Amino acid sequence: DTEVTQTPKHLVMGMTNKKSLKCEQHMGHRAMYWYKQKAKKPPELMFVYSYEKLSINESVPSRFSPECPNSSLLNLHLHALQPEDSALYLCASSQDRPSGETQYFGPGTRLLVL
Amino acid sequence: QQPVQSPQAVILREGEDAVINCSSSKALYSVHWYRQKHGEAPVFLMILLKGGEQKGHDKISASFNEKKQQSSLYLTASQLSYSGTYFCGTRGDTGTASKLTFGTGTRLQVTL
Repeated sequence: DTEVTQTPKHLVMGMTNKKSLKCEQHMGHRAMYWYKQKAKKPPELMFVYSYEKLSINESVPSRFSPECPNSSLLNLHLHALQPEDSALYLCASSQDRPSGETQYFGPGTRLLVL
Repeated sequence: QQPVQSPQAVILREGEDAVINCSSSKALYSVHWYRQKHGEAPVFLMILLKGGEQKGHDKISASFNEKKQQSSLYLTASQLSYSGTYFCGTRGDTGTASKLTFGTGTRLQVTL
């Protein structure tokens, strides 16, 4: 089973709203990732969690706040977003080993900020 | 530092072959290939590790030349299902959970 699930599939929010994106995997992976993808562009890394600790933050604005409550769950809390934050938000997970881990992606949450 | 892919786009007739190239400006440890269909998540195709090994399954294979910091994806006897955008992802070190940087992408369309 190589499934990563994400909820919700679609989200529309105003600039003053607070919302959260959820990601879940049950593959025993110890690394989890958030990516942002704009139309016709490659995914851009936002955050990496390794063994439930934040290991990489790609200088993401503080209006995006990640959280890893346990090894299977990854959340992305959204607050005071801007219209330019509208994008597809992808979650991925992988084994965390130096031999080159394969990242498996969830279906994504398509976010529209009005 | 984003890997550059070529061509940017290609249209094939079913049954034709294609090669997609991925070139990096920095030393690579591994190259990962993904295919993404419109509105869907990227799907993992294969990973190549330092060592120049060529990998493949079915009619899709890939090579990795770490000296040239390049990888190529070979699609033979293309099928309609091969349509999508192909991304290479590169890693430059062996650190745990280190960063995967995606290339510029190649849009492939297979027609009848």
